[in-house]
Amino acid sequence: DAGITQSPRHKVTETGTPVTLRCHQTENHRYMYWYRQDPGHGLRLIHYSYGVKDTDKGEVSDGYSVSRSKTEDFLLTLESATSSQTSVYFCAISGQGPDGELFFGEGSRLTVL
Amino acid sequence: GESVGLHLPTLSVQEGDNSIINCAYSNSASDYFIWYKQESGKGPQFIIDIRSNMDKRQGQRVTVLLNKTVKHLSLQIAATQPGDSAVYFCAVPDSGYSTLTFGKGTMLLVSP
Repeated sequence: DAGITQSPRHKVTETGTPVTLRCHQTENHRYMYWYRQDPGHGLRLIHYSYGVKDTDKGEVSDGYSVSRSKTEDFLLTLESATSSQTSVYFCAISGQGPDGELFFGEGSRLTVL
Repeated sequence: GESVGLHLPTLSVQEGDNSIINCAYSNSASDYFIWYKQESGKGPQFIIDIRSNMDKRQGQRVTVLLNKTVKHLSLQIAATQPGDSAVYFCAVPDSGYSTLTFGKGTMLLVSP
């Protein structure tokens, strides 16, 4: 299994609070992605990174920010969580980007009350 | 952006049957396609991929067929087993090969 660790795995928070999800990899892969998964919507890309300090927006980036200060860590921040951000969040890594296999973490389930 | 769709949200089969999961894509310039499997409570896992210069590719018990004329691909699973029960996604890269767009998924239910 690819070395990807997401933390926390489960979190319950209240509307308006900040939340940070962490993705840590031990594979030295260049590309890192944050997806959210919701019933009826499948997997939707939030943000991605193609190198240290190099990030870009995905399909559903509003309300989210990311940072990548070192190769192994990709942080997803919800500055002020809303109930619509209740979801399962998946981190993925790849050495080649979309032209190759993406390795996914186990997911982080976030509930915003 | 890419549009990737699946024909059926749920497919129920008997153990031992062959399963076929379908996917349609919108961009005729797409040249790389991937299938992922997601078991309950886990992240998606790569199954098989195919490039547009091929019509068919086989793996272990799985075959992917690509019909570029009608922009359709399918995943065939031979002798389906209970362990194949999962959600299956097709995915295509965007034109810039910077991101991957996933379809909404088909849930495969295998009964003994």
